[in-house]
Amino acid sequence: EVQLLESGGGLVQPGGSLRLSCEASGFTFSYFAMSWVRQAPGKGLECVSSINAFGTSTYYADSLMGRFTISRDNSKNTLYLQMDSLRAEDTAVYYCAKDSRDSYSDSRGRFDYWGQGTLVTVSS
Amino acid sequence: DIQMTQSPSSLPASVGDRVIITCRASQRISTYLNWYQQKPGKAPKVLIYAASTLQNGVPSRFSGGGSGTDFTLTISSLQPEDFATYYCQQSYSTPRTFGQGTKVEIK
Repeated sequence: EVQLLESGGGLVQPGGSLRLSCEASGFTFSYFAMSWVRQAPGKGLECVSSINAFGTSTYYADSLMGRFTISRDNSKNTLYLQMDSLRAEDTAVYYCAKDSRDSYSDSRGRFDYWGQGTLVTVSS
Repeated sequence: DIQMTQSPSSLPASVGDRVIITCRASQRISTYLNWYQQKPGKAPKVLIYAASTLQNGVPSRFSGGGSGTDFTLTISSLQPEDFATYYCQQSYSTPRTFGQGTKVEIK
């Protein structure tokens, strides 16, 4: 059974940092691209960052303006999102999502499994 | 980025109704279109990929169609567990953008 377990969310002051983790099990983690998708309260879904299976290619949403860094450790079956210079508008539930392909730019891909989400609240 | 526009934003319906949600892309995306269902407090779940292929385990009352810029998600006979928000997503190009969502509500 595929499982994705996020952790690391919480309350942080504007300008602060958080590191999200997503521990994967039930599939060969190193074969698949992974993404972080966020959902602000009462809003829709936004893919903020993606990484290919090998960790050699990454995508970031323009809205992040270089403040987040995605990475993965295939030996630990874990995906990360380092979030710096956090702003109120980053407040959201952050989901990690498994891709059905090894590249996030493969048109045939879809997010076939999702974690339960971790809430990040940026507030003073 | 490719913009995805869903209609309607809200859809009041009753159990047993046939429900159709539409999704329009701002440019042609062939059939690289996925549909997700999200229930309150839960993660999204993929229902349909490649515009019309049912994900394993998804009931056959769900179906998808379309190509190019216009797509539909149809629920043939709405069940109580289908009241949820539905999102389309294009996978034609990076970033994989989502529509704004359609909330299927009890009439």
